[in-house]
Amino acid sequence: EIVLTQSPATLSLSPGERATLSCRASQSVNIHLAWYQQKPGQAPRLLIYDAANRATGIPARFSGSGSGTDFTLTISSLEPEDFAVYYCQQRSYWPPSFGPGTKVEIK
Amino acid sequence: QVQLQQWGAGLLKPSETLSLTCAVYDGSFTGYYWSWIRQPPGKGLEWIAEINHGGSTNYNPSLRSRVTLSVDTSKKQFSLRLSSVTAADTAVYYCARDLDDSGAYRGIFHIWGQGTVVTVSS
Repeated sequence: EIVLTQSPATLSLSPGERATLSCRASQSVNIHLAWYQQKPGQAPRLLIYDAANRATGIPARFSGSGSGTDFTLTISSLEPEDFAVYYCQQRSYWPPSFGPGTKVEIK
Repeated sequence: QVQLQQWGAGLLKPSETLSLTCAVYDGSFTGYYWSWIRQPPGKGLEWIAEINHGGSTNYNPSLRSRVTLSVDTSKKQFSLRLSSVTAADTAVYYCARDLDDSGAYRGIFHIWGQGTVVTVSS
């Protein structure tokens, strides 16, 4: 099973700042990596799939990059509604697996 | 816009069987894979299993021996049964749909149910 590691565990930032979240896979997953946002009491929401493709309706301030084992989710300028937990997930090897999450909190 | 609505028993005793159902509204049922994913309290996400409209299934090896999936295409519903539950199975359980029906985007979870809290306690 592929193990995904996310860093940092917590990111403390202010609205308007840039957020950079990392995800590392235990072996290459090609580009088959997705990012999800989850707010308390809600289901996860798909943001990015296949490393760099924004899902329908996702604002342009969210962008993804990377391939192989190292991936990045960037939020160019944090809005108040962006403070949440972010998970990466790979689908290159079955079963699909998720990272432990990065919490983006208000500084 | 397609929606997933899920339901099932929320409180179980150890050794009982968890049973959840997810219904698809305002969207196609055929062509997609339909997954179950769970999240223990304060923890991350774990994919459990998937099924398609034809009944083809794939399971997480860690749960394979206790999981049964079924599908009712006439009702556009799919169901999860997890046997011999313990406290470790306490979690929010979600149903989810792949990004599209092409097969090229299997394992990308685009549409999610609202989640069902399942607690296992004696």
